[in-house]
Amino acid sequence: RKEVEQDPGPFNVPEGATVAFNCTYSNSASQSFFWYRQDCRKEPKLLMSVYSSGNEDGRFTAQLNRASQYISLLIRDSKLSDSATYLCVVNDYRQSNTGKLIFGQGTTLQVKP
Amino acid sequence: NAGVTQTPKFQVLKTGQSMTLQCAQDMNHEYMSWYRQDPGMGLRLIHYSVGAGITDQGEVPNGYNVSRSTTEDFPLRLLSAAPSQTSVYFCASSYASGITYNEQFFGPGTRLTVL
Repeated sequence: RKEVEQDPGPFNVPEGATVAFNCTYSNSASQSFFWYRQDCRKEPKLLMSVYSSGNEDGRFTAQLNRASQYISLLIRDSKLSDSATYLCVVNDYRQSNTGKLIFGQGTTLQVKP
Repeated sequence: NAGVTQTPKFQVLKTGQSMTLQCAQDMNHEYMSWYRQDPGMGLRLIHYSVGAGITDQGEVPNGYNVSRSTTEDFPLRLLSAAPSQTSVYFCASSYASGITYNEQFFGPGTRLTVL
């Protein structure tokens, strides 16, 4: 079993739609959680950290469910510019103070006009 | 700040050749790492370093060497290139210990083809 699992998609949605991605992680000792965005042929960039209480940044909402060990990302009112691959990222619980992260495979989103 | 820089952007090698991918950061980050990204495989950790003089292996270290003589630089050496090493290579850096939410900053990547 992969340590961080995501549905690779692609998710094809029309502009204005709401879309949600889920991600599961294998170890309950993980402490830090993130969503990164990667545009085609570009480097990954941090979209948002995921806090225990859930957090929102404009049209983006991230939630953490520790009991079920999953993380979600909700995008409201999708824009064409949201088309990208979204990477679920978890800190390496075995080395939580080193900065080492574990990346999911990524979920591809295509927003259509 | 330039952030994380990588050179070269593109490289074509013949099987058996060696080369060094360069990575530098100017943010005084302790943690630096190298990943490779292949279609359908996601980012896989090759080697990482938690500070000058300290390196360790990641998930896929075979065929690669690293060293960390300064905080700023973390070069990745391919000892004898093989077609299986054709990939996109990303270098990343972050603050390390004591900070729970430590964002990793990535360089623009090196696209390597081994013939």
